[in-house]
Amino acid sequence: DSGVTQTPKHLITATGQRVTLRCSPRSGDLSVYWYQQSLDQGLQFLIQYYNGEERAKGNILERFSAQQFPDLHSELNLSSLELGDSALYFCASSGIERNSPLHFGNGTRLTVT
Amino acid sequence: GQQVMQIPQYQHVQEGEDFTTYCNSSTTLSNIQWYKQRPGGHPVFLIQLVKSGEVKKQKRLTFQFGEAKKNSSLHITATQTTDVGTYFCAGWGGSNYKLTFGKGTLLTVNP
Repeated sequence: DSGVTQTPKHLITATGQRVTLRCSPRSGDLSVYWYQQSLDQGLQFLIQYYNGEERAKGNILERFSAQQFPDLHSELNLSSLELGDSALYFCASSGIERNSPLHFGNGTRLTVT
Repeated sequence: GQQVMQIPQYQHVQEGEDFTTYCNSSTTLSNIQWYKQRPGGHPVFLIQLVKSGEVKKQKRLTFQFGEAKKNSSLHITATQTTDVGTYFCAGWGGSNYKLTFGKGTLLTVNP
């Protein structure tokens, strides 16, 4: 158990809809990362937050947004969903030291129909 | 931007054979991390290498960090079916100092 909690585990929705994915980091971790994993696409970095502030941005679509709240949990919002957004979305957290390893949650599997 | 290439993409071996995956970065890395993702699971941190030329071992797994800190390798001796999964390297570095993952190597082992 990594200590990172992601909800829900599975999400099935229709095109055009909006969903929210939730992540609670490990106790004491200030950084939260979001990754998208599609078949044969590896781990695509979306965005990173550190103690409530956006720290780094990857290949995140404009239809996607995220935030980290004062209690350090994070939410990833995906809107105007398309079939191609179907993927596994991972949240990870890391400690305060630079270069700390990432601890991944179990992921949310999103299926857009 | 920083790119991390990993080869091979897939590797199928017979149980007992050795396995190696290679990681190359377009820029010098501050450190490199290795993760393993079992089928249906999430990536799990294995190890971190920081020093130029560093070699670390975990039982049958040997990790190396290149002298120029731009490449790394993971070698598994005498693979077992429990080694099945995707192995990712990830390096910290680049002008905007971020963690970049390789695309991973999927290892399958025939018993």
